[in-house]
Parts: sequence; structure tokens; C-alpha cells
Amino acid sequence: EADIYQTPRYLVIGTGKKITLECSQTMGHDKMYWYQQDPGMELHLIHYSYGVNSTEKGDLSSESTVSRIRTEHFPLTLESARPSHTSQYLCASSETGGGDGELFFGEGSRLTVL
Amino acid sequence: KNQVEQSPQSLIILEGKNCTLQCNYTVSPFSNLRWYKQDTGRGPVSLTIMTFSENTKSNGRYTATLDADTKQSSLHITASQLSDSASYICVVSDRGSTLGRLYFGRGTQLTVWP
Repeated sequence: EADIYQTPRYLVIGTGKKITLECSQTMGHDKMYWYQQDPGMELHLIHYSYGVNSTEKGDLSSESTVSRIRTEHFPLTLESARPSHTSQYLCASSETGGGDGELFFGEGSRLTVL
Repeated sequence: KNQVEQSPQSLIILEGKNCTLQCNYTVSPFSNLRWYKQDTGRGPVSLTIMTFSENTKSNGRYTATLDADTKQSSLHITASQLSDSASYICVVSDRGSTLGRLYFGRGTQLTVWP
């Protein structure tokens, strides 16, 4: 079982609130990712990091931001949540670059914005 | 345009029966193809990886095949169990380098009935 943890698992908040989704891994992986997943749709990459102090935006435009101050920690922040942010957010890590490395996923954070 | 198409979208089978899930891709260049299993409310977990030179690979009751010429892969599940109920996601990688990209299918939702 993968040693990657996400909190909270479920979050229901009102519009305009600031939220942070936490993601931590104990595998020492350099590469970490945030994906957004909606029912019946493919995973979309919204942020990734190849190491400390390295963050990049993914394919899907997102109003969220990320930081990577420590290898094991990759939090995602929404400054002002909106109903359009309602989704499942999956954090993942890999030992090598995403091209051929297995992704290890957390169990996800399901966000509902009212 | 690089794409990954999975079929069927959903499938219901009886416990003990076999089934085959399909994945067609147009990703080029091709590095590898992974099948992930995602239980409801959990993150995806890798089942198997197929590289260009591999035609078939088994992982317990799961057998994946790859035809790189026709750009098709299949996942065959033998003697299905209730615990096989999940979404099965096909993920194709290009290049295999640090800059390699991942292309996700939308998944096949498998339900196994007793």
C-alpha cells in the first residue's frame, strides 16, 4: 500500500472560503502531482513538482496554487472557493519522471463548495 | 491529437465470470501503458505496465495484452470476484523521459454481482 496521505478526505464549505488540501508522502519521492477527477471523466493534471521549490502548472487551468517547501509535503490551496471547484482532488507521487514511473495515489479529497 | 479511449464505459458481470476491457490509444511516440484499478472512494492503484516489446503480462487473475501496431490494449479478468468491482483506468505515456506526459482514459466501471 502506498504511503501517501491526503487530508481532509471530505470537505464541504461555503463560497469564498479559503481552503488547503494537504498531501504528504513518506516514500522520499521527488515527483509529486495534483489531479482533478470528475465522475466519468479522465484525470486532469493541475499541478506538479519535480522537487523542493519546484512547482509547475499542469494541463488543466486551475485557480489553485501549490507549494513544495519540503520533499514530503505538497499542499494545494484555493484562496476563494467557488461551486465550480467542486470535485475530487487526487495527490500522487512517483520515483521517476511521470513518463515511465508508477504513480502512487492518495485516497483523494472530495471538495464540495456550496 | 493524443488520446486514450476505453470501452465499454461500464460493464456488469456475475461473480465467477470472465471479462475483457479495451483501451485504444493514439499517443505517439509511445513509451508504456499502465492499467490502474480505482476502488470507489480510493485513489488508483497500478495493476500492470506494458512496454513496447511486451505482448502480454499477467498479475494474478489480471492479464494485460498490448498490440503496439494497432495501438490497442486489453485487460482480461478471470473468475471475477466481488472485490473486482471498480473503475479500471488505462494510462499511456509518451517518450518515457522526465518530460514524458501521461494520457488518461475515462475508465471502465466494472460491477460484479453475486
